[in-house]
Amino acid sequence: EDKVVQSPLSLVVHEGDTVTLNCSYEVTNFRSLLWYKQEKKAPTFLFMLTSSGIEKKSGRLSSILDKKELFSILNITATQTGDSAVYLCAAVTQGGSEKLVFGKGTKLTVNP
Amino acid sequence: GAVVSQHPSWVICKSGTSVKIECRSLDFQATTMFWYRQFPKQSLMLMATSNEGSKATYEQGVEKDKFLINHASLTLSTLTVTSAHPEDSSFYICSAYLAGGPDTQYFGPGTRLTVL
Repeated sequence: EDKVVQSPLSLVVHEGDTVTLNCSYEVTNFRSLLWYKQEKKAPTFLFMLTSSGIEKKSGRLSSILDKKELFSILNITATQTGDSAVYLCAAVTQGGSEKLVFGKGTKLTVNP
Repeated sequence: GAVVSQHPSWVICKSGTSVKIECRSLDFQATTMFWYRQFPKQSLMLMATSNEGSKATYEQGVEKDKFLINHASLTLSTLTVTSAHPEDSSFYICSAYLAGGPDTQYFGPGTRLTVL
């Protein structure tokens, strides 16, 4: 059974801290890994990772994939209260129709 | 970027009634759309894959007679929750896959269903 596990499930930090969110996956026909940020409504796309070892960056956020060890991390530096959200990772499986298998998410709370 | 809309954004209904949720891709054609359900503090769970012009593919444990999916055109998929019960109360999100595009699914804003 395809599975994506995220850790920690929740995290509380102070503004300015750096956080690392973890995502491990076990899926058949893995194609890529996606990170999303979910606030009150539907998830918003952050990163797509396909190749191992290549860091993707967007401002204070960065992410990397390790296809050998089957995990990915999402780093957020100099956190701000606006970073408070649930961060979801999802593995894309390739096949007739490409499905996303989501983890349960990490709830990040950034306190002022 | 690609935009997906959902309607309604929230709905409250009585137990036993049916509710239809629409998912539209506004600026692209989507041969495949996905329907997810998210319970409070849980992740998104894929319910079914909707393919234009053919029957939807349901995930294990999802009742196809209860959750009717119609993908009548390349820009519209509908999910009908039939004979809704309080346990069907959830956040329903659709996404549209852009064939040949990046590996991202474009998510709609979601529909909050509350069944009394």
